[in-house]
Amino acid sequence: DTEVTQTPKHLVMGMTNKKSLKCEQHMGHRAMYWYKQKAKKPPELMFVYSYEKLSINESVPSRFSPECPNSSLLNLHLHALQPEDSALYLCASSQGVLKGHNSPLHFGNGTRLTVT
Amino acid sequence: DAKTTQPNSMESNEEEPVHLPCNHSTISGTDYIHWYRQLPSQGPEYVIHGLTSNVNNRMASLAIAEDRKSSTLILHRATLRDAAVYYCILRSNQGGKLIFGQGTELSVKP
Repeated sequence: DTEVTQTPKHLVMGMTNKKSLKCEQHMGHRAMYWYKQKAKKPPELMFVYSYEKLSINESVPSRFSPECPNSSLLNLHLHALQPEDSALYLCASSQGVLKGHNSPLHFGNGTRLTVT
Repeated sequence: DAKTTQPNSMESNEEEPVHLPCNHSTISGTDYIHWYRQLPSQGPEYVIHGLTSNVNNRMASLAIAEDRKSSTLILHRATLRDAAVYYCILRSNQGGKLIFGQGTELSVKP
């Protein structure tokens, strides 16, 4: 069992829908991450939050909108997605992300998203 | 971000040791060497990390070359549950990103 919980496990949405992916951790971690993983490819970093503030956005299209309401929760709001956005979306957390921190990332098992 | 090079795939027999190599010739002095693995249908899982000295934990050992331009992840006795994609990643101590490379797909034969 993972200590990072992602919901839902599976999601099918149309291109005009709005949906949200949720991620929760209760390890007291202050850094949280979103990754996207296509089949047979490595995970690609999308966003990094540090102390509830967005610190890294890897030039992700605006149809993906992250939100960190508090230190335990991370959301990814989805709007007007394309079929090529179908992928596994992974959330992760770590103790910190600032200079001097090299703590391991703890990953959830992801949300499998299909855009029709 | 400094890059790593790993073989695409490796095979091992059950209960034998496995040595997974990684080259990182452009590593900088502030880069830590991290290893993660991803089992089928799961998120990546942290295995081990180190800076200069060899490291051991309950999952594996990490052997780092003296010049730090390569490292080897050692699984002492492979089990069928160790079949996964293993990622060697450099992560700067200056903060931030964990960027995955292509990884090595390890298969374990009974």
